[in-house]
Amino acid sequence: GQQLNQSPQSMFIQEGEDVSMNCTSSSIFNTWLWYKQEPGEGPVLLIALYKAGELTSNGRLTAQFGITRKDSFLNISASIPSDVGIYFCAGLQETSGSRLTFGEGTQLTVNP
Amino acid sequence: DTEVTQTPKHLVMGMTNKKSLKCEQHMGHRAMYWYKQKAKKPPELMFVYSYEKLSINESVPSRFSPECPNSSLLNLHLHALQPEDSALYLCASSRKEGGAGGYTFGSGTRLTVV
Repeated sequence: GQQLNQSPQSMFIQEGEDVSMNCTSSSIFNTWLWYKQEPGEGPVLLIALYKAGELTSNGRLTAQFGITRKDSFLNISASIPSDVGIYFCAGLQETSGSRLTFGEGTQLTVNP
Repeated sequence: DTEVTQTPKHLVMGMTNKKSLKCEQHMGHRAMYWYKQKAKKPPELMFVYSYEKLSINESVPSRFSPECPNSSLLNLHLHALQPEDSALYLCASSRKEGGAGGYTFGSGTRLTVV
């Protein structure tokens, strides 16, 4: 099936630093979703993007739907220890119906 | 209510047991999903229900049997599982099949097969 290349695979940062992660694909997506998952919990939706070029913020988080519709990025500003978790991008394609394609995830560690 | 509730949170079962996982949402979502997730990996789609009808079965072994009794409930019946079926089982819902508005996930059931 279609793959989403998510990078970086892991990040170790100091509290207060900004974080950037992205997902790329060779195919076009109609929807990009960014989720955060903490240990023992299900993924929690952070931001949903529906239009090429769309830039959306949720507090310290900002995500963009790439203009080519083949990529998306997520930025976290001024990281705090509770930002720790695995961040997944996920995309929906017109040809895949309701099948979400997930990236492999970015493991974020924030040192106080 | 903006949650998907899954029970039980943890389940240990033998390979000859029969058990069921339950999922409930009261957001009026008409699509519900079962995912399987191994540690440090993304969720993998198992089943999709749309308007209480099975829409997608991702070639899941018959020892997993889904059921959607009504628009708010989704069950996953388990029988004769293998140790490699141990995983986090996630339920999700969306307004309609196709995820408009995003998918809302439950906290999952941590299943261990012994």
